[in-house]
Amino acid sequence: DADVTQTPRNRITKTGKRIMLECSQTKGHDRMYWYRQDPGLGLRLIYYSFDVKDINKGEISDGYSVSRQAQAKFSLSLESAIPNQTALYFCATSDLQFGGRGEQFFGPGTRLTVL
Amino acid sequence: DAKTTQPPSMDCAEGRAANLPCNHSTISGNEYVYWYRQIHSQGPQYIIHGLKNNETNEMASLIITEDRKSSTLILPHATLRDTAVYYCIVDALNYGGSQGNLIFGKGTKLSVKP
Repeated sequence: DADVTQTPRNRITKTGKRIMLECSQTKGHDRMYWYRQDPGLGLRLIYYSFDVKDINKGEISDGYSVSRQAQAKFSLSLESAIPNQTALYFCATSDLQFGGRGEQFFGPGTRLTVL
Repeated sequence: DAKTTQPPSMDCAEGRAANLPCNHSTISGNEYVYWYRQIHSQGPQYIIHGLKNNETNEMASLIITEDRKSSTLILPHATLRDTAVYYCIVDALNYGGSQGNLIFGKGTKLSVKP
């Protein structure tokens, strides 16, 4: 089974709708991240969380909110979706362990289309 | 803005070494150089990282210049499955974990051709 899972994998919604993207991980990592990717561009950080009580804004947090329900779960919400939020969304995790490699492990992505 | 500069695209013949350059002239003393790749629209995959010494693992080698202002990722025997976008990223480690401010940039699209 995949270590980092995202649901749904694909979603089409309408402007103004509220939508939640969910991320779960079985790696036991403390740190979790949400990114978006637009066609032809690199990933941009939306929010990140270093533990359940620590939430931080990333580069492009406007229009998004997050919830860290547990160590293993990190959800991204679009309160009122707009067409320019159409993108590929990735969740990632990393380990807090001292001396670790520090790399981030990514989920398979959620393709969101806002009409 | 990304802290790194990479060529937008490169071609490599199958079986040959692929050498992907990256400039990071403003790198700080506590920042590592990381390489990730993204195959099609899958989630990015970690390849390798280093601070100042050259590094090698089962996937690739990383050569960092002495002044740390540039580096090269080497895939010794490229295969068709290595066709992907390769991202060079600088990131400071905080107690072994990424600080969360990975800036991916646009990367280099490597095309491995038969």
